Amino acid sequence: QVQLQESGPGLVKTSETLSLTCAISDGSIGNYHWNWIRQSPGKGLEWIGQISASGSTDYNPSLKSRVAISVDASKTHFSLKLSSVTAADTAIYYCARGTTSHYVSWFDPWGQGTLVTVSS
Amino acid sequence: EFVLTQSPGTLSLSPGERATLSCRASQSFSDVYLAWYQQKPGQAPRLLIYGASNRATGIPDRFSGSGSGTDFTLTISRLEPEDFAVYYCQQSASSPWTFGQGTKVEIK
Repeated sequence: QVQLQESGPGLVKTSETLSLTCAISDGSIGNYHWNWIRQSPGKGLEWIGQISASGSTDYNPSLKSRVAISVDASKTHFSLKLSSVTAADTAIYYCARGTTSHYVSWFDPWGQGTLVTVSS
Repeated sequence: EFVLTQSPGTLSLSPGERATLSCRASQSFSDVYLAWYQQKPGQAPRLLIYGASNRATGIPDRFSGSGSGTDFTLTISRLEPEDFAVYYCQQSASSPWTFGQGTKVEIK
């Protein structure tokens, strides 16, 4: 059973860039889509975006201008960058595996999540 | 953006009782695009149901899903102590994928 693990700074300053990485335990991107999802008390669960094994991306329009998701060259990790952060970006960030389809998606498994706080 | 509205917000039940959770969509879509998750405090969500009615690997058969169009239901036939948690529905009929706001199933 594949396991996912998020890593990155727990505190980011206002206006800077949030950067997180998700490690895939079996080291294989495979043919799946790989997602970032966040959860905050105010907005509940919010899908941030996904990247396919071929590198194509799809982002939530509400964040699209500030988000970039990428896969590393070894295809054992994928990353999230969110620029120009504000306090509204404070949340638990999860990485999750999607499906092999671009057109239907559920998330399984999820990483344990990492709390990122944005503060000046 | 497809909006999912879950009801009730909180369901107070006793172990052994039946739980019926509702997820209503702002627009109609095929059942293939609907999933349900369970989240316990301090944990990530866990996939329960995909394609509206298919149990994920390892999910007990007391969990069942149904529905189509705009109305979907998650049923827990007999609540076990470990089932008290928050449940979310999620759609992938239209990007951006969205989640409902959750239903908390609490011990009465």
